[in-house]
Amino acid sequence: AQSVTQPDIHITVSEGASLELRCNYSYGATPYLFWYVQSPGQGLQLLLKYFSGDTLVQGIKGFEAEFKRSQSSFNLRKPSVHWSDAAEYFCAVGVGGSQGNLIFGKGTKLSVKP
Amino acid sequence: EAQVTQNPRYLITVTGKKLTVTCSQNMNHEYMSWYRQDPGLGLRQIYYSMNVEVTDKGDVPEGYKVSRKEKRNFPLILESPSPNQTSLYFCASRRGEGYTFGSGTRLTVV
Repeated sequence: AQSVTQPDIHITVSEGASLELRCNYSYGATPYLFWYVQSPGQGLQLLLKYFSGDTLVQGIKGFEAEFKRSQSSFNLRKPSVHWSDAAEYFCAVGVGGSQGNLIFGKGTKLSVKP
Repeated sequence: EAQVTQNPRYLITVTGKKLTVTCSQNMNHEYMSWYRQDPGLGLRQIYYSMNVEVTDKGDVPEGYKVSRKEKRNFPLILESPSPNQTSLYFCASRRGEGYTFGSGTRLTVV
């Protein structure tokens, strides 16, 4: 069955430090991959997505993610974290192509130390 | 503005009292879906619809119903809500690979 794993439930980083949030998926075909961010009390905002082509994807707010097929991973990175990045981050996989559904990981909560 | 509109944003109800959460999209999308979000569990799909009159169960359909009588609307119905349905609910629509989410409905069942 298709699944998405975010191994880290909670991560704390210092402001200005680099960030990497991990995401692994289980799916037989090439998936569509997404990262969403949810600030406290807010809805979901799309950070970036990968469908095909260049495996390094640039998103909003200075985030990027790299698709590694051999590792079934789609890790999210940011070189320098800002206090406003504190939020919960969800990795999601679109399965079944244009007829399929979106499967979410359980999320990683990011805290930022001043 | 292209959007998915959910109503209400917040709802407190009592066990067993039927309720409907509405979802409407103005993008002429064929695909719509409902998710619930619970702490530590991420978002789990309740029901989805590929088109008018075509609906199917997601991962957690128990206790919920949906209908898709017209393309723009996809209401979520709780016939007899229970406290374990207290959650944050999101509606989404999609064309191709682009998903649009509503702002969420926070439901509390007491």
